[in-house]
Amino acid sequence: GAVVSQHPSWVICKSGTSVKIECRSLDFQATTMFWYRQFPKQSLMLMATSNEGSKATYEQGVEKDKFLINHASLTLSTLTVTSAHPEDSSFYICSARGGLLAKNIQYFGAGTRLSVL
Amino acid sequence: DAKTTQPNSMESNEEEPVHLPCNHSTISGTDYIHWYRQLPSQGPEYVIHGLTSNVNNRMASLAIAEDRKSSTLILHRATLRDAAVYYCILIETGANSKLTFGKGITLSVRP
Repeated sequence: GAVVSQHPSWVICKSGTSVKIECRSLDFQATTMFWYRQFPKQSLMLMATSNEGSKATYEQGVEKDKFLINHASLTLSTLTVTSAHPEDSSFYICSARGGLLAKNIQYFGAGTRLSVL
Repeated sequence: DAKTTQPNSMESNEEEPVHLPCNHSTISGTDYIHWYRQLPSQGPEYVIHGLTSNVNNRMASLAIAEDRKSSTLILHRATLRDAAVYYCILIETGANSKLTFGKGITLSVRP
């Protein structure tokens, strides 16, 4: 199957700082990338969808100025959590779809655990 | 997207087959049935998907009811590594399609 790499796998930061998470599709071109968030004991919640070269589409209730998404190339998307606060602590997971290998299937990264102190 | 209903949890014994049910009575004709699983502290993993016919791959089999209102994911020989949350998701194929996760079913495997 297609491989999606996410980095870092975990990060601890101070309240008020910004954190950037990278998501790369390693063996296919991701025309569409997705960012999810998962709190403990809960299911994944879609935050936003991005197509290469276009602005991301955010789900209702997700602050676009707080969660900056950039999908600058067909293999890379980044999520920046700006001015992070303890309530932003969560498990962030990216997903990618596209190309012949991943045409109808979303492939997921391993996730990034963010802890804001 | 149409909704799916799954039991909260299921237990199985190692090396025995496991049948994970999913009800989707409001499925539309263009909805594909996808199954993903999520192991603890990891991102979801694609398992299998189908439209109308039963499907087999190296991980599992997907049995789809003739009226498509239900489906069953079949793990032929459960291993301890199959313990995970399994999600049954309906999704239309298209540029704007996206996976929406429900609660899934938590599978426990006894040694």
